[in-house]
Amino acid sequence: GENVEQHPSTLSVQEGDSAVIKCTYSDSASNYFPWYKQELGKRPQLIIDIRSNVGEKKDQRIAVTLNKTAKHFSLHITETQPEDSAVYFCAASRTGSARQLTFGSGTQLTVLP
Amino acid sequence: DAGVIQSPRHEVTEMGQEVTLRCKPISGHNSLFWYRQTMMRGLELLIYFNNNVPIDDSGMPEDRFSAKMPNASFSTLKIQPSEPRDSAVYFCASRGTSTDTQYFGPGTRLTVL
Repeated sequence: GENVEQHPSTLSVQEGDSAVIKCTYSDSASNYFPWYKQELGKRPQLIIDIRSNVGEKKDQRIAVTLNKTAKHFSLHITETQPEDSAVYFCAASRTGSARQLTFGSGTQLTVLP
Repeated sequence: DAGVIQSPRHEVTEMGQEVTLRCKPISGHNSLFWYRQTMMRGLELLIYFNNNVPIDDSGMPEDRFSAKMPNASFSTLKIQPSEPRDSAVYFCASRGTSTDTQYFGPGTRLTVL
């Protein structure tokens, strides 16, 4: 089955700096890669996703890059703000009827004012 | 749209008691997922249903856990008998036919004393 590894487990940045979280996956057939943000005591919520036919996707201050050859993908947050503080999870899955998400272990991001 | 609904939001019970968690997926979604989240093990997929049929229950920890989906708008996760190590937040998520995005419910925080 799929295995997703996520690094780092904790990340502290100064407000306004950039943050990068990296994930690797094992199943070469995976082609859907979402990122979820989970604030303390809340549910995971999708913030951005990318499919294997795209190398990069941006949404305002958030971007995700994908390297299918190396089987890794990354989340980039620019101009970080205190409200970006949360746990971020990457995930991977195939598409099709048997698709299910395998999550990474999470990264606790703290943005220091 | 009310989103995924879970009940109860909090449950405190004593070891040996039966616990039933409930989930109502987003109307029109045909896939439903049960996850367990703990600090030690992160987000684990327990079981998922497609069109009310269990597809993969390999994540169910042991026979004390069971899940049902009697119709498209309701699912239950039952633990009998419960043990202190079952203490966790249990999330339900649903997904539509033509999308890969999973939408999470607010979760049930279970404490087994």
